[in-house]
Amino acid sequence: GAVVSQHPSWVICKSGTSVKIECRSLDFQATTMFWYRQFPKQSLMLMATSNEGSKATYEQGVEKDKFLINHASLTLSTLTVTSAHPEDSSFYICSADKRYRPGFFGPGTRLTVL
Amino acid sequence: GENVEQHPSTLSVQEGDSAVIKCTYSDSASNYFPWYKQELGKGPQLIIDIRSNVGEKKDQRIAVTLNKTAKHFSLHITETQPEDSAVYFCAASNFIQGAQKLVFGQGTRLTINP
Repeated sequence: GAVVSQHPSWVICKSGTSVKIECRSLDFQATTMFWYRQFPKQSLMLMATSNEGSKATYEQGVEKDKFLINHASLTLSTLTVTSAHPEDSSFYICSADKRYRPGFFGPGTRLTVL
Repeated sequence: GENVEQHPSTLSVQEGDSAVIKCTYSDSASNYFPWYKQELGKGPQLIIDIRSNVGEKKDQRIAVTLNKTAKHFSLHITETQPEDSAVYFCAASNFIQGAQKLVFGQGTRLTINP
């Protein structure tokens, strides 16, 4: 199998605080991990591509200083939303690629910023 | 870059009937086409995929067809059941530098009426 977990599954925070979301591949080593955000009734929008041991590649329009990505190992990537504001409230989903097989998604993290 | 268009945005069918969702893509270099099912509040789940060297693939009640010349691919669900109700996303990708960057369609909300 190819199981990807995310923690936490949901988080509520005050405006101005930082929130860290973890993405783990549980039974395989992920060559690459991706972070998406999804607004209600919309499609998934790629935020960044993360490779272990190197800097993340951000999509156009995504602020790299606001959405910090750390890919510490082949099984763990973290997304930190810094100084979160209500407009950052969204569903954040990670995915991990196995060799030659992409797109194993985590269950998502719902972030609500008050 | 790649652009994926998905139709229809909503689809309602009677239980037992078939459902068809269509996608078109723009980049002829795309070589991998997965379909995902997303239930409310959960991450996308891969249900079937097809690579560019294959024209059709079937897995029980689910099938996908690919027309590379026309740059479109379709999801077919036969003998639909209430548990098939969900949002379905198509995606396309091209293997670039060891990472398959998925571009998603807009999604189709499928409702199966008992």
